[in-house]
Amino acid sequence: DAKTTQPNSMESNEEEPVHLPCNHSTISGTDYIHWYRQLPSQGPEYVIHGLTSNVNNRMASLAIAEDRKSSTLILHRATLRDAAVYYCILRANQGGSEKLVFGKGTKLTVNP
Amino acid sequence: DTAVSQTPKYLVTQMGNDKSIKCEQNLGHDTMYWYKQDSKKFLKIMFSYNNKELIINETVPNRFSPKSPDKAHLNLHINSLELGDSAVYFCASSSYPAGGNTEAFFGQGTRLTVV
Repeated sequence: DAKTTQPNSMESNEEEPVHLPCNHSTISGTDYIHWYRQLPSQGPEYVIHGLTSNVNNRMASLAIAEDRKSSTLILHRATLRDAAVYYCILRANQGGSEKLVFGKGTKLTVNP
Repeated sequence: DTAVSQTPKYLVTQMGNDKSIKCEQNLGHDTMYWYKQDSKKFLKIMFSYNNKELIINETVPNRFSPKSPDKAHLNLHINSLELGDSAVYFCASSSYPAGGNTEAFFGQGTRLTVV
């Protein structure tokens, strides 16, 4: 399984932007970059995913480096509800039941 | 409407007992998964089913037996429970083919405590 590297923890202040980095230097051409988050005592929740171009949705933005070896999840205005563990995952596009392989993720703390 | 629902949410039981956790999804997905999150918070896949057929079995002890009566349900039966089985179990679903361009939806988890 292709690996990702994320900082163990990050801290942010409420209403400020947050940039969560992820390195994936061994990414293959067919791997999509996915982000999930897990709020305390809840199941993982899909945030966003992309292949090559930057992506935006109602929750976040995903900035993907031109060589695809790194990406950044951007929360434009952090709220207390965004405090969670954020997982960066590579998911192959091979047409099967590809599993999501979770790493340790980044624990985001949002200060009021 | 809950997309992926698991029951029960909490389960406390004694060693040696047999228990089941149920999972249902109303998303029309063909692929369902079971994940285990241990006390160190690592999430690890256990099984994957596609349209009632076992696709992935990640070297899970055979005391764990998934059952898929139809593609909307994937239940997890555990025989002879051990202390080490204590964890949070998450069910998930995804459309098929569950390739890179699809997201997975997770249930809220079942916290199993074996005493």
